[in-house]
Amino acid sequence: GNSVTQMEGPVTLSEEAFLTINCTYTATGYPSLFWYVQYPGEGLQLLLKATKADDKGSNKGFEATYRKETTSFHLEKGSVQVSDSAVYFCARYYGNNRLAFGKGNQVVVIP
Amino acid sequence: GAGVSQSPSNKVTEKGKDVELRCDPISGHTALYWYRQSLGQGLEFLIYFQGNSAPDKSGLPSDRFSAERTGGSVSTLTIQRTQQEDSAVYLCASSLSGGNYEQYFGPGTRLTVT
Repeated sequence: GNSVTQMEGPVTLSEEAFLTINCTYTATGYPSLFWYVQYPGEGLQLLLKATKADDKGSNKGFEATYRKETTSFHLEKGSVQVSDSAVYFCARYYGNNRLAFGKGNQVVVIP
Repeated sequence: GAGVSQSPSNKVTEKGKDVELRCDPISGHTALYWYRQSLGQGLEFLIYFQGNSAPDKSGLPSDRFSAERTGGSVSTLTIQRTQQEDSAVYLCASSLSGGNYEQYFGPGTRLTVT
């Protein structure tokens, strides 16, 4: 069926390191793809999105490119800050009036 | 402007009791969603309201769960005869319309069933 898969486990890295969080999806057709972020004690916020193949979503230094050939939407940031510590969720919208989310990745940035 | 608000922020209840969770969407948003966030299952869709149309209830896990939306605005999610596996964070979201519009999430209600 349709699903979103994120890499397992939390991610711990030092300030100014490069961050990658993998996300792949299974679906027929071309769903819209999203990254949501949940900062400690706050609700989910949309970080970025891409609605068609080869689109690149970007926000706050984060980027993700919609790769149809690999059915992926990996999140990257070149130099993370302590304030980027949060849980990141990859999500897919596929025309059925709902978002399907990955399990989420806890990112901890150490000063 | 005001975002999506939910109440209560935390709720502890005894197994077997009924609970009601409230969501106030962003003014003017016609679409409203409920999701559940739990450790084992991640984020799951529960129910979707769009305007005056019949809601999409396909994500509700059992007939103990129900939801209504009055006047196209405030929504209440009701869980009857709560069970321990109902413990989770219940998230509400709203968007301008159904479809591919951005969903804005509330802070959630943390439900603990003892």
